[in-house]
Amino acid sequence: GAVVSQHPSRVICKSGTSVKIECRSLDFQATTMFWYRQFPKQSLMLMATSNEGSKATYEQGVEKDKFLINHASLTLSTLTVTSAHPEDSSFYICSARPIAGVEQYFGPGTRLTVT
Amino acid sequence: GNSVTQMEGPVTLSEEAFLTINCTYTATGYPSLFWYVQYPGEGLQLLLKATKADDKGSNKGFEATYRKETTSFHLEKGSVQVSDSAVYFCALNPKANQAGTALIFGKGTTLSVSS
Repeated sequence: GAVVSQHPSRVICKSGTSVKIECRSLDFQATTMFWYRQFPKQSLMLMATSNEGSKATYEQGVEKDKFLINHASLTLSTLTVTSAHPEDSSFYICSARPIAGVEQYFGPGTRLTVT
Repeated sequence: GNSVTQMEGPVTLSEEAFLTINCTYTATGYPSLFWYVQYPGEGLQLLLKATKADDKGSNKGFEATYRKETTSFHLEKGSVQVSDSAVYFCALNPKANQAGTALIFGKGTTLSVSS
């Protein structure tokens, strides 16, 4: 089946530093990838839609200058959390939709802890 | 607008019990419907899907039928196992034929199965 990977799986960083999270579709191409944030025992909150070759579309309330998204190829999207603060600590999950398909496949998530 | 409502959890069952997790939706047009499962510390896995009215999605003993008349997509399993313990998310894609459309999730239902 379709596989999406994320790297790193866990990261701890100090307040004020930046962290990059990669999302890769391993066996399919995706023109669109999505970035979600999940708080403990809660549902997924869509942060942004990442479009290959163009700017990401951010959801209301998500700071685009803080959460930088780059969709460099049909198999790679990156999320950079800039000047991270403890309140940015969360579980970040990406998903990708194959070019021909209705379902989305999710990565295993990245646990970010900002100290 | 588009939304998904799931029954509140947690749902606690004994092994081999029958499972139903209710999901209803509101949507304009003809959405595709999904159930995803999330095991502790992991990302989401697609469990099953249905793309049009009266479709039945099934996988690993789970099944759900797309009921347009009741706008429902309830998840059922005849005999649960301890390994089914996880969080289950109902989701819809309001414009499944458009690649840039993100999924809309319910809040998730935690299932705990004891032996």
